[in-house]
Amino acid sequence: DAGVTQSPTHLIKTRGQQVTLRCSPKSGHDTVSWYQQALGQGPQFIFQYYEEEERQRGNFPDRFSGHQFPNYSSELNVNALLLGDSALYLCASSPGLFGGGRRETQYFGPGTRLLVL
Amino acid sequence: AQSVTQLDSQVPVFEEAPVELRCNYSSSVSVYLFWYVQYPNQGLQLLLKYLSGSTLVKGINGFEAEFNKSQTSFHLRKPSVHISDTAEYFCAVSQAGTALIFGKGTTLSVSS
Repeated sequence: DAGVTQSPTHLIKTRGQQVTLRCSPKSGHDTVSWYQQALGQGPQFIFQYYEEEERQRGNFPDRFSGHQFPNYSSELNVNALLLGDSALYLCASSPGLFGGGRRETQYFGPGTRLLVL
Repeated sequence: AQSVTQLDSQVPVFEEAPVELRCNYSSSVSVYLFWYVQYPNQGLQLLLKYLSGSTLVKGINGFEAEFNKSQTSFHLRKPSVHISDTAEYFCAVSQAGTALIFGKGTTLSVSS
């Protein structure tokens, strides 16, 4: 049973560029959440998607946007990259009603490490 | 608003010694509580969770935690640690199906 997968594993961009990160949820999960983890810090919630809509959003600017596809996979897009966007981006999935769960437990992928120069 | 405070940023212990990692939370409503572990250059792995029921929760790798509602705490314990337990540990809180709010983490360093 494949867990949560993310791509790419590492990425280097320059300031002002745009980036897209991808996530495939665990089998049977329909809800995807994204987190940003700066070096030496705990993860910070960006947003959560289910039924292809953004359901909850953390305190992140509009430069951060996302999308969920009919197969429950998700993308995180960041525009106009800043140096401060350098971080580990974590995707987590959870089982919604479809998977017999209530979304309360989130399972994390390995993350994408983004470096902005 | 919810918040999580991990009271120790670093905890050094010797192998086979017991350990306790402390976590306090703040919330005006009922919450779910979690402990995750992060090994170097990896994602987060769920250690254990409290959703309801028994306040003593057992997790993977011999860890357990006790939910104390009156003290708003959810401390993580292990009776005997191994070198392989060296990692970053995160306490987190959420309401039903919503965002996880994490503490800043505790670095557990186990030496021989």
